[in-house]
Amino acid sequence: KQEVTQIPAALSVPEGENLVLNCSFTDSAIYNLQWFRQDPGKGLTSLLLIQSSQREQTSGRLNASLDKSSGRSTLYIAASQPGDSATYLCAVRQETSYDKVIFGPGTSLSVIP
Amino acid sequence: GAGVSQSPSNKVTEKGKDVELRCDPISGHTALYWYRQSLGQGLEFLIYFQGNSAPDKSGLPSDRFSAERTGGSVSTLTIQRTQQEDSAVYLCASSPFPQGAGYGYTFGSGTRLTVV
Repeated sequence: KQEVTQIPAALSVPEGENLVLNCSFTDSAIYNLQWFRQDPGKGLTSLLLIQSSQREQTSGRLNASLDKSSGRSTLYIAASQPGDSATYLCAVRQETSYDKVIFGPGTSLSVIP
Repeated sequence: GAGVSQSPSNKVTEKGKDVELRCDPISGHTALYWYRQSLGQGLEFLIYFQGNSAPDKSGLPSDRFSAERTGGSVSTLTIQRTQQEDSAVYLCASSPFPQGAGYGYTFGSGTRLTVV
């Protein structure tokens, strides 16, 4: 059974710092991994989608990497801003049961001005 | 529309009443999912629709929960005889090609349900 964990559960950093959020999954047989952002009281916004054959994806100040064999993904945020404060979730889509996506519990990020 | 639309955005209901939540997916997306997120919890899968196939209902927590998808487009999630533990944000997502699993989800903004 696939299990997705995220470390840390919460993170507080001063504005301008670079930071890394971690996502781990127990079953490496995945189709893809997706990073989302959730603002309080809002839905989820997709940030980056990495296919199982890819190593990383970049969008602006965000860079997501995937090491499928070791069951890890990282989301790197460069030059953090207060507007980056949100909960970040990773989610994996399975090879054998691709209809469902398994979500991690999220990392709550606070960027202090 | 350009995105996944959910209505209402907020719903307060009395315990024991029935509620209906609506999801309008992105046009052309064949897959539609319902999740719920209780306060401080992760996302919980509820139900999945793919085209005209029978839905995957394995995540529905009880027989008070049901969902339908008419014409392969709009979906309605119905909760009968609501209980306080049903209070949560209900999120809908759609995806264009689940078999071509290179595609990710697009989520709606959710419906915040409060049962009092």
